[in-house]
Amino acid sequence: NAGVTQTPKFQVLKTGQSMTLQCAQDMNHNSMYWYRQDPGMGLRLIYYSASEGTTDKGEVPNGYNVSRLNKREFSLRLESAAPSQTSVYFCASSASSSMLSRGETQYFGPGTRLLVL
Amino acid sequence: GQSLEQPSEVTAVEGAIVQINCTYQTSGFYGLSWYQQHDGGAPTFLSYNALDGLEETGRFSSFLSRSDSYGYLLLQELQMKDSASYFCAVTVGGSYIPTFGRGTSLIVHP
Repeated sequence: NAGVTQTPKFQVLKTGQSMTLQCAQDMNHNSMYWYRQDPGMGLRLIYYSASEGTTDKGEVPNGYNVSRLNKREFSLRLESAAPSQTSVYFCASSASSSMLSRGETQYFGPGTRLLVL
Repeated sequence: GQSLEQPSEVTAVEGAIVQINCTYQTSGFYGLSWYQQHDGGAPTFLSYNALDGLEETGRFSSFLSRSDSYGYLLLQELQMKDSASYFCAVTVGGSYIPTFGRGTSLIVHP
């Protein structure tokens, strides 16, 4: 199993450009998440999807959109990139949303490093 | 909302024991998790405490005191490879998404 995969690994954008970050998991997990991590900060939740066909906003959703394409894939789109969106983006998955509160783990992808000039 | 406090950096020598503390303020607390992250790579799950007491997994242990809103991660027999960032995260009932602290950078010296 590859676990959680993310593409691309690195990306440089100019302000105003758009792009989509891709995430896929092969663990048959129901829930998927997008986080951003900035220097000196923890992981902040952007959006999540508790099951195929559903998405919900997290702590910092402004400037982003998501699509749960199917059970495996969860993409994050920046419609008009801004320098404030320079960050490392992590996708994660977990087996079940209801189990997560009882200590189930999240599995993270390797991250996408995004620089917006 | 939730808030978590953990030290920004901790240093220790190889073979020693180190404790990384985490205090939290939240309503509806359900559990405390710990994650490890090497060099900005993928965070990996270490432990989870929902009840008071110590949970041991090999060289790592995690402790929780719900009455004190406090937990810690204990690393024994430190190895160079333990140099990493360690994040605590709280989960509250009704919202299963964990909220992460800012992380503690552990530096292990020879």
